[in-house]
Order: sequence, then structure tokens, then C-alpha cells
Amino acid sequence: SYDLTQPPSVSVSPGQTANITCSGDKLGDRYACWYQQKSGQSPVLVIYQDIKRPSGIPERFSGSNSGNTATLTISGTQAMDEAEYYCQAWDSNTWVFGGGTKLTVL
Amino acid sequence: EVQLVESGGGLVQPGGSLRLSCAASGFTFSTYWMSWVRQAPGKGLEWVANIKQLGTEKYYLDSVKGRFTISRDNAKNSLFLQMNSLRAEDTAVYYCARLSFYLFDYWGQGTLVTVSS
Repeated sequence: SYDLTQPPSVSVSPGQTANITCSGDKLGDRYACWYQQKSGQSPVLVIYQDIKRPSGIPERFSGSNSGNTATLTISGTQAMDEAEYYCQAWDSNTWVFGGGTKLTVL
Repeated sequence: EVQLVESGGGLVQPGGSLRLSCAASGFTFSTYWMSWVRQAPGKGLEWVANIKQLGTEKYYLDSVKGRFTISRDNAKNSLFLQMNSLRAEDTAVYYCARLSFYLFDYWGQGTLVTVSS
């Protein structure tokens, strides 16, 4: 089975840049996407096809994917960005999520 | 506006059955793959099952194969998940999600399934 690994937590100060990584075997050879899930809410897609932002997602959210690692970058992090973030990819007719990263803005 | 509204969750005993429903609106339901994704309490997201537009292809998480069945009624813009032989480890919030090019672009609010005696 295909596995995606994320750090359990990342902390960032308001206004600074947060980087959340997602590692998987040859992940750069497939598309990665990212979801934001705030406490008590449903997930929201924030990045798809490695680098694209859905309509309505702020420009401070960006992504990259190369080698074995995909990265979600939040520039100028705001308090409202505090949430759980999940990466996701597709492999052999299974849809795989990373374990999630809790982003704390303090 | 795309809307996905789940229903049918509840408390069920181990070994029991439950049928979840998802009512879709705001898009042409019959032209999209649809999915169920679950989240155990305090845990991460886990994909459960997908179904193609006409129901001709279905994919399942290994641990639910033979116990869960995904289906759809395009005339009623509805998605279903029949869950049999339920186990404690199936306890989770179950989300209905629209599948688009290998990603889940819209999610419902979820329905809680609790398997306990």
C-alpha cells in the first residue's frame, strides 16, 4: 500500500511562513493536493494538482511537489489559518491521505 | 452552489447494518464520480469507497470490501453507502464527497456512525 507521511504538528508566528511537508515514494511523479480542516468542520480543498488554488482560496496558500516530498506553504500566516492540514494522492485505484498536520499559529 | 447533505448515521450494535444517504444539489450529479470518506474520532481522514458516474465501476478500502456497498440513484441525485457487519473500528464521521480528477473537491457536513454495544 502507498503511504503519505506528515509531521504531526507545525507552529508558526502570525505573519510568518509555514511549511507543511508530505512524504511518499516518488510522490513527485503523481499529483498531490491539500485539504484544510478547521475544528468541527468539514475538509476544504486548498491546493490541487500540486500548485493550483481553487477559487476563493487566498493567494498566501501555495504548493510544490518534487522527488518524494510535497509541500504546502502558507505565507503571511494568519490566526484564521490554524487548522489541521491533510495531503492526499492517488495510487492504483486507492485514494490515500497523509496522517494530518496540526498547524498552530502563536 | 454545490451542496452535499448526508443522513442515516446513528448508533448500531457490532454486527449490525446501517444505510447512509447523501443528497446532492447544485451540479450535474450524473456526470461525476462520487465518494465516501470517513474520520474516526480524533483521527485523520480515510477514503472508503468510490463509484463511477453510471455505477459501472466501484472501488473500496480493503478493510470494508465485502461488508460495504456504494451505490447511487442519478434520477434522485443521491449517493448511498450500505454498511453491513459493522465493527467498532467503523465508528467515524462519514463524509460524502464529489470526486474530480483524483481529488475531493466538495464535501458534505458528515454523519456520525457509532458502533457500540
